Amino acid sequence: GAGVSQTPSNKVTEKGKYVELRCDPISGHTALYWYRQSLGQGPEFLIYFQGTGAADDSGLPNDRFFAVRPEGSVSTLKIQRTERGDSAVYLCASSTRQGSAGELFFGEGSRLTVL
Amino acid sequence: AQSVTQPDIHITVSEGASLELRCNYSYGATPYLFWYVQSPGQGLQLLLKYFSGDTLVQGIKGFEAEFKRSQSSFNLRKPSVHWSDAAEYFCAVDVTGNQFYFGTGTSLTVIP
Repeated sequence: GAGVSQTPSNKVTEKGKYVELRCDPISGHTALYWYRQSLGQGPEFLIYFQGTGAADDSGLPNDRFFAVRPEGSVSTLKIQRTERGDSAVYLCASSTRQGSAGELFFGEGSRLTVL
Repeated sequence: AQSVTQPDIHITVSEGASLELRCNYSYGATPYLFWYVQSPGQGLQLLLKYFSGDTLVQGIKGFEAEFKRSQSSFNLRKPSVHWSDAAEYFCAVDVTGNQFYFGTGTSLTVIP
């Protein structure tokens, strides 16, 4: 498709389990972002990739969260030992930006529920 | 502390009435400024953006926003609201060139 694709759209898991969320950005977009949106809140920055490398991972809340983008396209957000507080919508966005501000194109998000 | 403030959590307007959603930011320099809209079950969509130049910017769906440096504000306006405008609206700023900071959002209800 033409837009940012995120899978799964919904994920229900149990506390302590491992979860992977996938993002397929718009073709040709070098920048990729992960955000987390809790109920009633705005999106909260997690990590930013420029190409294959994480240019800024200052938003990752702790070492249970990790993200990769091995080939500079698809990215996977990985959450280990999930906790109930991790329940949120995880948003992915991509952009053509090359070190300057540009529009972010968002996917519809992956809703994670940790029971 | 750096922040983006949207003071109105929820606004209700009548269809056809004018709309203004407030956004204030707190940063040392003038950031890049954005307004996004989020409809239920849909991803965030860019309404408009300000980088430099003319402080009144036009966006999609008849929206506009005005950057006021003296007030550190970037308020969103629309002269006549349509029922389809009901959604969540987010102001965002980009100060680092790496990440966007979003406000907590304003939920808009449109009544007939």
